[in-house]
Amino acid sequence: AQRVTQPEKLLSVFKGAPVELKCNYSYSGSPELFWYVQYSRQRLQLLLRHISRESIKGFTADLNKGETSFHLKKPFAQEEDSAMYYCALSSPPGTYKYIFGTGTRLKVLA
Amino acid sequence: GAGVSQSPSNKVTEKGKDVELRCDPISGHTALYWYRQSLGQGLEFLIYFQGNSAPDKSGLPSDRFSAERTGGSVSTLTIQRTQQEDSAVYLCASSSQGGYGQPQHFGDGTRLSIL
Repeated sequence: AQRVTQPEKLLSVFKGAPVELKCNYSYSGSPELFWYVQYSRQRLQLLLRHISRESIKGFTADLNKGETSFHLKKPFAQEEDSAMYYCALSSPPGTYKYIFGTGTRLKVLA
Repeated sequence: GAGVSQSPSNKVTEKGKDVELRCDPISGHTALYWYRQSLGQGLEFLIYFQGNSAPDKSGLPSDRFSAERTGGSVSTLTIQRTQQEDSAVYLCASSSQGGYGQPQHFGDGTRLSIL
């Protein structure tokens, strides 16, 4: 069965420190993976998707099929990065289901 | 429209009452999703629509939950005989095409509180 695991509920880092939010997935095919972010009092929004290989707000995520991971990274955290981050797996064609992780709350301390 | 719109934004009701939650997706988006977000539980998939049909209802927690979509646009999620465990934020999302690899656009959600 498809599954997305985000092992950390809360991650606190100091401003300027590197950040890595962990995401592991369980899926037998070729995964389509996403990171979504929810800032305080804002709606959940797409941060990035692995297929586009882009960097958004300084964040990047690399798909590692060997380790079945899609960790989100940023070299220098900013206070405005404090938010809830969700990793998501798009299901195979025909089922249309998204599977979200339980989320990691990132707190960037001044 | 400018984005996915959900109403009401907050709903407080007594246990045993029925509630109806509404989602208005982005114009032209054919796919529509409902999720439930409970404290510490992440996002729980409930149901998906492609047009007016729901190919996957497997996430609906019980037969008290139902959803429909009309005109390929607005969707309503109905919870009958509400229970306290139904308290959560109900999120709606839409995407331009259904399924594999498509990003989703979320509404602000409806916060449902069952007394």
